[in-house]
Amino acid sequence: EAQVTQNPRYLITVTGKKLTVTCSQNMNHEYMSWYRQDPGLGLRQIYYSMNVEVTDKGDVPEGYKVSRKEKRNFPLILESPSPNQTSLYFCASSSPRLGGYEQYFGPGTRLTVT
Amino acid sequence: GIQVEQSPPDLILQEGANSTLRCNFSDSVNNLQWFHQNPWGQLINLFYIPSGTKQNGRLSATTVATERYSLLYISSSQTTDSGVYFCAVAPRVSGNTPLVFGKGTRLSVIA
Repeated sequence: EAQVTQNPRYLITVTGKKLTVTCSQNMNHEYMSWYRQDPGLGLRQIYYSMNVEVTDKGDVPEGYKVSRKEKRNFPLILESPSPNQTSLYFCASSSPRLGGYEQYFGPGTRLTVT
Repeated sequence: GIQVEQSPPDLILQEGANSTLRCNFSDSVNNLQWFHQNPWGQLINLFYIPSGTKQNGRLSATTVATERYSLLYISSSQTTDSGVYFCAVAPRVSGNTPLVFGKGTRLSVIA
C-alpha cells in the first residue's frame, strides 16, 4: 500500500530534550516536506527536500533541522524543543515527474513540549 | 502570495442531507486538493483536482480553474463525514511546491 508513515504518533517531552520524528514514504517520491498545524494559523511548511541531500527552509524553520540521506526518509529533528513547538506535525511527499503532483500526507505526530 | 478562502466556515447537517463546500483562490494554480481532517487529526486525501470534475462514492468535486474556484459536494451525509474539510492549492509544478491551505469548513453531521 502506498503510504507515508510517521513515528511516533504522539509524544510528550520536556524542554531541551532532543527528539527526532521519523518520516518514510514507499512511493519513490523525490519531493518531501514537513508542515506544522496550529489553531488559528493553519498548516505552515517547516522544511522541504527536492531530492536526496537537497533540503531547504520553508516558512517556519527556526528550531528545526532535517536531513535527507535516503530518498524514502526525511526525519525532523528538534535539537532543543521548546513549548512553542507544541503542535501537530505532518510529513508529505509527492513526485512532480509523474504528471501532476498530488501530495500525500502522513498520519501526523502530536507533540507536546512541557 | 496566493489566498485561499473557504465557505462556509461551519456547517451542521442532519444525517442524510446534502451539502456543497466552496473554495475560492486568488491566482492560477497547478495543484488543488481537497482533504478531510478527521477527529483524530489525520489528513485524508479526497481529491486531486486542479481542473475538471471527479467523483468518489458520495463525494464529488469540481474545479473551474478559469474562474478560480472549486466545489466539494457531499451527498447523503453520514456521521462519519464529520470533521474539517480543507482546500489546498499550489501555484507551481516544479520547485518547492508548498500547499497553501484554506481555513477549512468544519462539518458536523448529527444523527
